[in-house]
Amino acid sequence: QKEVEQNSGPLSVPEGAIASLNCTYSDRVSQSFFWYRQYSGKSPELIMSIYSNGDKEDGRFTAQLNKASQYVSLLIRDSQPSDSATYLCAVGFSNDYKLSFGAGTTVTVRA
Amino acid sequence: GAVVSQHPSWVICKSGTSVKIECRSLDFQATTMFWYRQFPKQSLMLMATSNEGSKATYEQGVEKDKFLINHASLTLSTLTVTSAHPEDSSFYICSAKLFTDTQYFGPGTRLTVL
Repeated sequence: QKEVEQNSGPLSVPEGAIASLNCTYSDRVSQSFFWYRQYSGKSPELIMSIYSNGDKEDGRFTAQLNKASQYVSLLIRDSQPSDSATYLCAVGFSNDYKLSFGAGTTVTVRA
Repeated sequence: GAVVSQHPSWVICKSGTSVKIECRSLDFQATTMFWYRQFPKQSLMLMATSNEGSKATYEQGVEKDKFLINHASLTLSTLTVTSAHPEDSSFYICSAKLFTDTQYFGPGTRLTVL
């Protein structure tokens, strides 16, 4: 069973603060890691992908990957009310291109 | 780039009827598409992997005779829910794979079976 676990929410942060989301995965051969954002009633949209250990920054978003610890995180800096959504961590495995999704962490940014 | 469309966006049908949902990659060719189902307050559940020109691969517990998948071209995959029942009411979302295993999702189809 390839498991992906996310820190339980909901996570409430004030506007302008940093939101920190965590994700752990069980399979050591995992190759690719993604963060998706899903607004209520909508489908997921890709925020970040990361493949190598370290940090990857894109605007206000930073993904961090530590394969040794089987851990991937997402930081949202200067959080805005429009960032209020459910964030899904997804892990890819090299042999079949399928993704395993975590249950999601719901973030609420308070104005 | 990497735009995926779905049609219809919502559908209401009577129990026992069949419903077809289309998934199209608009600006790229997708040899592999995926179909997911999502119930309220739950995460995505992969139903099947759709490969162009071959039979779909279904996840364990998904009835292949009930959820018919056809991937006849590099830009179109269809999911047909046959003899739909109220318990099939859900949010059905397709995705298309671009390059490695990056998946881009369609907007989803909300199915309500009365």
